[in-house]
Amino acid sequence: DTGVSQNPRHKITKRGQNVTFRCDPISEHNRLYWYRQTLGQGPEFLTYFQNEAQLEKSRLLSDRFSAERPKGSFSTLEIQRTEQGDSAMYLCASSSGAGSDTQYFGPGTRLTVL
Amino acid sequence: GIQVEQSPPDLILQEGANSTLRCNFSDSVNNLQWFHQNPWGQLINLFYIPSGTKQNGRLSATTVATERYSLLYISSSQTTDSGVYFCAVGGYQKVTFGIGTKLQVIP
Repeated sequence: DTGVSQNPRHKITKRGQNVTFRCDPISEHNRLYWYRQTLGQGPEFLTYFQNEAQLEKSRLLSDRFSAERPKGSFSTLEIQRTEQGDSAMYLCASSSGAGSDTQYFGPGTRLTVL
Repeated sequence: GIQVEQSPPDLILQEGANSTLRCNFSDSVNNLQWFHQNPWGQLINLFYIPSGTKQNGRLSATTVATERYSLLYISSSQTTDSGVYFCAVGGYQKVTFGIGTKLQVIP
């Protein structure tokens, strides 16, 4: 069990560009979550997958954000036409859902939009 | 949505001291977790505790679901305990995090 991994760890982009982040959950974890965290705040829920189905999506998530989890394994989060306000740490977590919803977090991807 | 309040917002302890962190929430929940975010940003799950009491070494947690609060106890604090402690509550599909308690343990 190697834990949750995220790539890239850091991303610097110019305003208006598209970016894509990847999350590899703990193997056999069927639940996957994306969060966004800004300085001094707790993580803010973005979206939730159970296997390949996206079952919950924050109302705060604009249409520029999209997430996928093909085949119920890794997940990608894409941000189109990035804005400076998108600068944040993007966190991924997974859980097994087997009697406990303990979430295990990856190290995050820090996005800086110039 | 559910509201989560954590107190105190900041805490400075001398190494070896004990502390209690509190999490109040506004609605009934079936998922409550405590996390530690270390100075490098990694979130570590401490407890999954929607009700009852659990202990893990120097840490213990109690959730009184009927009164909508949870407590995290840290005993004999060490400098490695420094960081931000978050409470997260909700269901299995979505949890809401508080803004955390920032703990600094000084030698």
